[in-house]
Amino acid sequence: SQKIEQNSEALNIQEGKTATLTCNYTNYSPAYLQWYRQDPGRGPVFLLLIRENEKEKRKERLKVTFDTTLKQSLFHITASQPADSATYLCASRDTGGFKTIFGAGTRLFVKA
Amino acid sequence: DAMVIQNPRYQVTQFGKPVTLSCSQTLNHNVMYWYQQKSSQAPKLLFHYYDKDFNNEADTPDNFQSRRPNTSFCFLDIRSPGLGDAAMYLCATSRTSGGANNEQFFGPGTRLTVL
Repeated sequence: SQKIEQNSEALNIQEGKTATLTCNYTNYSPAYLQWYRQDPGRGPVFLLLIRENEKEKRKERLKVTFDTTLKQSLFHITASQPADSATYLCASRDTGGFKTIFGAGTRLFVKA
Repeated sequence: DAMVIQNPRYQVTQFGKPVTLSCSQTLNHNVMYWYQQKSSQAPKLLFHYYDKDFNNEADTPDNFQSRRPNTSFCFLDIRSPGLGDAAMYLCATSRTSGGANNEQFFGPGTRLTVL
C-alpha cells in the first residue's frame, strides 16, 4: 500500500542551526508533496508544496527538496528558532484518487 | 478572517452515547474533510464531501456518519462511541479535492474523550 514515512524520533537542535526533516514515500510516485506544521492540540497548518518536477522550493527560512530517485523529500529550517518547535507533517495525494496521505510527523525541538 | 471553526473544542461522552461534532467554514471551499488523529499518529481520513457528493473511505467504520447540509457546515456523527474512538477529530477544507491545489485548511480540532 502507499505509504509516507517520517522519522518518529524527535529532533533536538540548538537555536540558529539548520533543522532537516526527512519524508520517504513507498509504493507510489506522488506528483507533489506537501509539508504542514502542527502545534500540540491544534490542527495542521500548510507550509509548502513541491511538485515532482521541482528539485527545490524555498519560502523565507524554509526549503524543501524532492528527490524522485531516492523517493524522498527533505524539509529544512535555516536559522532555527525556539518558535519553530512543533511537529512537521509530510503529505501527498495518492495516485488515482483524492485522498491525502499524511505521515505521522517528526517532532522538532529547538533549544535556546 | 476566513477560517475553519470546530465546536466544541473538547467533548466528553459516555461509551455508546451518540455524539455530534460540528465544523463550519467561511472560506467558501467546495471540499470538506473529516480526519481522525490519535496521539503521535498521522491524521486518518474518514470521509470527504465535494459539494454535496459524499465520499466514504473504505476502512471508515459504519459507526461514523457525516452530514453536510450546506456549503458552510459539516457534521460528524458517532453513533455508538467506543473507547477506541477517543481521538482528536480534525475538519479541513480545500478548493478542490484533487491536484496540486488541494492545500487543506484545518480547524483547531475537537478532542473527544470516551468514558
